[in-house]
Amino acid sequence: QSVLTQPPSVSGAPGQRVTISCTGTTSNVGAGYDVHWFQQFPGTAPKLLIYGNHNRPSGVPDRFSGSKSGTSASLAITGLQAEDEADYYCQSYDSSLSGVVFGGGTKLTVL
Amino acid sequence: QVQLQESGPGLVKPSGTLSLTCAVSGVSISNSIWWSWVRQPPGKGLEWIGEIYHSGSTNYSPSLKSRVTISVDKSTNQFSLKVTSVTAADTAVYYCASRPLYSSSFFDYWGQGALVIVSS
Repeated sequence: QSVLTQPPSVSGAPGQRVTISCTGTTSNVGAGYDVHWFQQFPGTAPKLLIYGNHNRPSGVPDRFSGSKSGTSASLAITGLQAEDEADYYCQSYDSSLSGVVFGGGTKLTVL
Repeated sequence: QVQLQESGPGLVKPSGTLSLTCAVSGVSISNSIWWSWVRQPPGKGLEWIGEIYHSGSTNYSPSLKSRVTISVDKSTNQFSLKVTSVTAADTAVYYCASRPLYSSSFFDYWGQGALVIVSS
């Protein structure tokens, strides 16, 4: 069981908007620690998608956006494309565990 | 640019010790960076194992702490992972990764991953 809770799967048609939630507690997300998002394709290492809750590294399309409020964070993907089909993970820090925590991951299917 | 590369045996016997090394290039291991290990069992999610700073300071996942040791070798710019008393549940792709020193930082560089299978 992961410390951060994500839906196991989400889906959407090309062009649509989908959101992936990441729910934590008062010892991680709710304590003010940043949330970061990774995209992972099969057989490859995770790739940073969003850092510091809402910042995009260079090269990441602005179709991807992040937000955070209270004990939860969200990743939004607009203008869904077939190439977005992948697994998505949120990551933060937990003060009670004194370490990094991940969400369980969300599989995005583009219909 | 910064590159990380895992190496080590791909097959370990149950009850044995899993050992992996991460070679770091493009940056000194003595920089202000946490050097981390993350694993991913087949078909499952990411799990943080632990991390080390060049001073030798370590943080470990509570669920693995009793079996894990992470060490650093500044002379070779490498850091290593040992997991003792392994079982089939330790079968996973093991990634080495780096993140800046502050507590809630993100992983900015990853190795390609090394598959370790625990089987007799």
